[in-house]
Amino acid sequence: EIVLTQSPATLSLSPGERATLSCRASQSVGTSLAWYQQKPGQAPRLLMYDASNRATGIPARFSGSGSGTDLTLTISSLEPEDFAVYYCLQRSSWPRTFGQGTKVEIK
Amino acid sequence: EVQLVESGGGLVQPGGSLRLSCSASGFTVSRYNMNWVRQAPGKELEWISHISDSGGDILYADSVKGRFTISRDTARNSLYLQMHSLRDEDTAVYFCARDSYSGSAYYAFDFWGQGALVTVSS
Repeated sequence: EIVLTQSPATLSLSPGERATLSCRASQSVGTSLAWYQQKPGQAPRLLMYDASNRATGIPARFSGSGSGTDLTLTISSLEPEDFAVYYCLQRSSWPRTFGQGTKVEIK
Repeated sequence: EVQLVESGGGLVQPGGSLRLSCSASGFTVSRYNMNWVRQAPGKELEWISHISDSGGDILYADSVKGRFTISRDTARNSLYLQMHSLRDEDTAVYFCARDSYSGSAYYAFDFWGQGALVTVSS
C-alpha cells in the first residue's frame, strides 16, 4: 500500500499569500495523483487530476506540480474561500490511498 | 446536472448490518467506475470499495473485505453498499464518488454525494 504523507499539517496564512502544500509518496505514483479541497460539512471537491491538470471550473490560482514521490499543490494568492482542508490521493495502485490532509487556516 | 444522493445511514449496534444507497442522476451509473469513500469523525478520507463500469472489477479495502459488498442496480441507476458485522471503527460519513476518464485523462472521484452518516454504537 502506498502511503501519502502531506506537509505541513496546518498552514496559517493571510489572504493574498501563497500556499505551498506537499504530498510525499512512499513509492513512485508517477503523475497519478489528484488533489481535493474539503470544507466543513461538505464533500471533497476535485481540484487537480493527473498531478498538474485543473479540474473543470477550478481557478487558475491553483496549480499542481511534481511526479514520482514528491508532488505539490500551490495556491498562488489565497482567496477567503480557499481556507479549507486539502487532500492528495494516489490512483497509481490499489488500494487507492489519501494523505492525511493539510489544513489551510487564516492567520 | 450530475448528482449523487446517499441514503440509508443511521445508528446501528456493533455486529449489525446496514445498507447504503447512492442514487445517481445526470449520468448512467453502469457507464462509470464508482466508489465508496468514508471519513471517520475528524479524520482523513479512506477509500473502501470500487466497482468498474463493466461490473467485472470489484475491489475492497482490507478494512472492510469480507464484511461489505458493493453493487449497483441499472434500472434504479443506483449504487449500494451492504455492510455486515459492523464495528465501532466503521463509524463514519460514507460518500459515493464517481470516476470518469476522457482519452488519457483520468478523473478520480470527480463527483461526490453529500454523504451518509453511519454510527456504530451500543
